[in-house]
Amino acid sequence: KAGVTQTPRYLIKTRGQQVTLSCSPISGHRSVSWYQQTPGQGLQFLFEYFSETQRNKGNFPGRFSGRQFSNSRSEMNVSTLELGDSALYLCASTSLASSPNEQFFGPGTRLTVL
Amino acid sequence: AQTVTQSQPEMSVQEAETVTLSCTYDTSESNYYLFWYKQPPSRQMILVIRQEAYKQQNATENRFSVNFQKAAKSFSLKISDSQLGDTAMYFCAFMKYFVKGNQFYFGTGTSLTVIP
Repeated sequence: KAGVTQTPRYLIKTRGQQVTLSCSPISGHRSVSWYQQTPGQGLQFLFEYFSETQRNKGNFPGRFSGRQFSNSRSEMNVSTLELGDSALYLCASTSLASSPNEQFFGPGTRLTVL
Repeated sequence: AQTVTQSQPEMSVQEAETVTLSCTYDTSESNYYLFWYKQPPSRQMILVIRQEAYKQQNATENRFSVNFQKAAKSFSLKISDSQLGDTAMYFCAFMKYFVKGNQFYFGTGTSLTVIP
């Protein structure tokens, strides 16, 4: 089975721009979670999607949004980029058929905001 | 709110030696799971070991084992016979059950370097 894929792997944007990141989960996984990873902060939970619906949301401003498509692929959008948004964004997919619901991570998208 | 604390930002160990990474968490939940994830320099995060809170027996996966102290809310990872490939960032994670799904909480990570 192919693993979780994320595109693009690297992005450079300037302040004020917006960006869209994409995540394709493992085939059959219907839950997709997004995390922001920064040095010293670890992984901060952004949101989780299941069957095209956002189920959980972390404590991030409304500039961060996401969606999930019928094929379980997910996108994350950040509008009006700020310097502090520079981070590694990780996507994880989960098979709800497994117990516990283990998360499988993608390689991440490294976003740099200049 | 759940919090996960990893008090050792960096650690090093000689190859073939044993090292223990510490993790504490704070929760009022009684039913939850704990995980250790490894993130090598290539960045792909992979699961190392998991522990169900209702199980008293400590989980073991080959050279990796945990010391789970539920009352103390402590979940340390022991790596025996350390290998160069163990060099990575290690994250401790707590998962609780939600009616609407599960949510993970991660610590800030411990950077482990195995020295040849």
